[in-house]
Amino acid sequence: DAGVIQSPRHEVTEMGQEVTLRCKPISGHNSLFWYRQTMMRGLELLIYFNNNVPIDDSGMPEDRFSAKMPNASFSTLKIQPSEPRDSAVYFCASSFISTYNEQFFGPGTRLTVL
Amino acid sequence: DAKTTQPTSMDCAEGRAANLPCNHSTISGNEYVYWYRQIHSQGPQYIIHGLKNNETNEMASLIITEDRKSSTLILPHATLRDTAVYYCIVRVASGSARQLTFGSGTQLTVLP
Repeated sequence: DAGVIQSPRHEVTEMGQEVTLRCKPISGHNSLFWYRQTMMRGLELLIYFNNNVPIDDSGMPEDRFSAKMPNASFSTLKIQPSEPRDSAVYFCASSFISTYNEQFFGPGTRLTVL
Repeated sequence: DAKTTQPTSMDCAEGRAANLPCNHSTISGNEYVYWYRQIHSQGPQYIIHGLKNNETNEMASLIITEDRKSSTLILPHATLRDTAVYYCIVRVASGSARQLTFGSGTQLTVLP
C-alpha cells in the first residue's frame, strides 16, 4: 500500500515567489495534518483537517500561509510570498479520526527560500 | 496535553536492549502515552502507545509505571537502523483527531 505521498520532495525558490506543496493522504484516512520542522523550533503543527474541513489552523504562521483540502485525497499548503525564514522541511500526515489513531507521515518536502 | 521530559541523548550497543525513559508527572487519567521516532531525513514513525497497561508490538515494548508518571520504551534488540530521535508524547483521548505535540526527544545512537 502506498503511504502518504508528498511532492515535490525538494523545492528551491527565491524570496517573494509562490510555493505550493502537495499531499496525498493514505486512502481511507479522514484526518490530514501539516507539520513544519526546523532546527530552531523542532516539529510543529501548522494545520489539520477532519473530513476535509480545517479544524485548527492556529499554528499557521501568518497570512502568507494557506492550506486547502478540496477532497479526501488531496491537500495543498501554499506560501505566498515566500521568505527565507520559511525554509524548513514540511511534513504531511494522515490518520483515521479516532481516539487512538496513529498518524502516518509522508517523506516531507525540503523547502529552501533564497 | 501533559508535558514530557526525556534525556537529550543515549547510546546503546548493537544487539542489546535500548531502554528510553520518559517522565510525564502531570499526566491526566484520560491521557495516553505515545512513542514516535524519526530516522534522519525521514518523517516521524509511530511505534506504540498505551494508557496504563504495558504494551508490546513487533517493534517495541512500552512499560508504564503504576502511577503513570513515567514510562519506558524498550527496543529489545537494537540494531543500527534504530538510530533515530525518539519522541514521547502524552495526548488526551478525545472524540476527534488531535495533533501531536513533539518535544525535543531523545537521540538514540546504536553503536556497532
